[in-house]
Amino acid sequence: EAGVTQFPSHSVIEKGQTVTLRCDPISGHDNLYWYRRVMGKEIKFLLHFVKESKQDESGMPNNRFLAERTGGTYSTLKVQPAELEDSGVYFCASSPRQGSPSYEQYFGPGTRLTVT
Amino acid sequence: QKEVEQNSGPLSVPEGAIASLNCTYSDRGSQSFFWYRQYSGKSPELIMFIYSNGDKEDGRFTAQLNKASQYVSLLIRDSQPSDSATYLCAVRYSSASKIIFGSGTRLSIRP
Repeated sequence: EAGVTQFPSHSVIEKGQTVTLRCDPISGHDNLYWYRRVMGKEIKFLLHFVKESKQDESGMPNNRFLAERTGGTYSTLKVQPAELEDSGVYFCASSPRQGSPSYEQYFGPGTRLTVT
Repeated sequence: QKEVEQNSGPLSVPEGAIASLNCTYSDRGSQSFFWYRQYSGKSPELIMFIYSNGDKEDGRFTAQLNKASQYVSLLIRDSQPSDSATYLCAVRYSSASKIIFGSGTRLSIRP
């Protein structure tokens, strides 16, 4: 079974440009999460999809960030326009339909975003 | 106050000894507790979860939970150099909700 995949693995853009990150969850996983780790800080939640619907977007930092999950499959996270403070590692995770309190979120390898 | 607090380390432990990692959390409504291991440049990997008070053992790893004290710990027995990594403590409020991470403790196992 393929794990969570993310593309690109690394992106370097200039301030003011647009970047789109993609996440492909494990097949059949209804729940998809985006997290971010900026330098020196803890991993922080951005938002949560259940299928194609946004369940919780309380962690989205501002309206420069737009997340979509077309058809409840893969998800994209667009940053437009990018600012220096957006640099960090963006992780995607997925998990099966809601179940026991022990069920796991499987993390992808992350996309390292560098804004110069 | 951070929701999940960990000592950033580094924690240096000799090979073969017991490594003890600690974590406290602020929200008494937290239901599930996780320990992730993260190697440099890699994604977090779940190594233990616990949601009942007491101890839970899995191989060389033991997770301990004390909800009254809002305290979670991870013990690694017979530490190996391959255990050198950052260990992230995390909590979750319900079965489908977001995970709240601590900033991680860097563990170094010295030969």
